[in-house]
Amino acid sequence: ETGVTQSPTHLIKTRGQQVTLRCSSQSGHNTVSWYQQALGQGPQFIFQYYREEENGRGNFPPRFSGLQFPNYSSELNVNALELDDSALYLCASSRRQGNTEAFFGQGTRLTVV
Amino acid sequence: DAKTTQPTSMDCAEGRAANLPCNHSTISGNEYVYWYRQIHSQGPQYIIHGLKNNETNEMASLIITEDRKSSTLILPHATLRDTAVYYCIVRVAVDSNYQLIWGAGTKLIIKP
Repeated sequence: ETGVTQSPTHLIKTRGQQVTLRCSSQSGHNTVSWYQQALGQGPQFIFQYYREEENGRGNFPPRFSGLQFPNYSSELNVNALELDDSALYLCASSRRQGNTEAFFGQGTRLTVV
Repeated sequence: DAKTTQPTSMDCAEGRAANLPCNHSTISGNEYVYWYRQIHSQGPQYIIHGLKNNETNEMASLIITEDRKSSTLILPHATLRDTAVYYCIVRVAVDSNYQLIWGAGTKLIIKP
């Protein structure tokens, strides 16, 4: 158990819809990162939030957006879903910027049909 | 693009040391090497990280070559619960922050 919780655990959406995934970070952690993991591949960095501001972004289009709240929990929003968005979405929290020892949640399995 | 290359899969006998190699020939001088593992259907778990010197913690040891172009993760006494995908990762600086660049990982199977 890492103390990082994600919801929902599984989700099925239709192409073109919008989805919101949620993450509660570990107590004392002010930095949250989101990753996309396609089947059989390593996680790909989407973006990071630090003190409620986006603080680093990977190679993902603007339809991937996020929020961080004052309690450091976070949301990942994906608009105009595409079939290729089907993946495991992972949230990781850490004590500070720099992606040092990060604690991951179990992930949300998103299937787009 | 991934900055690391690892074998796709490896086997190791239970109770023996598991040595997982990683090549990172394009690593820059201030980029750290991180190792995480991912047990099936779970989120990745941090193992260890290092820059130049060898590192050891309660889970594993990390041996980094002097030229920093490769490293080896050592699990000293592998158990069946160590079966997982092991990721060798380089932490790169991007703007004012850092990103972990993950490769495809090594699937390690511990056999009884």
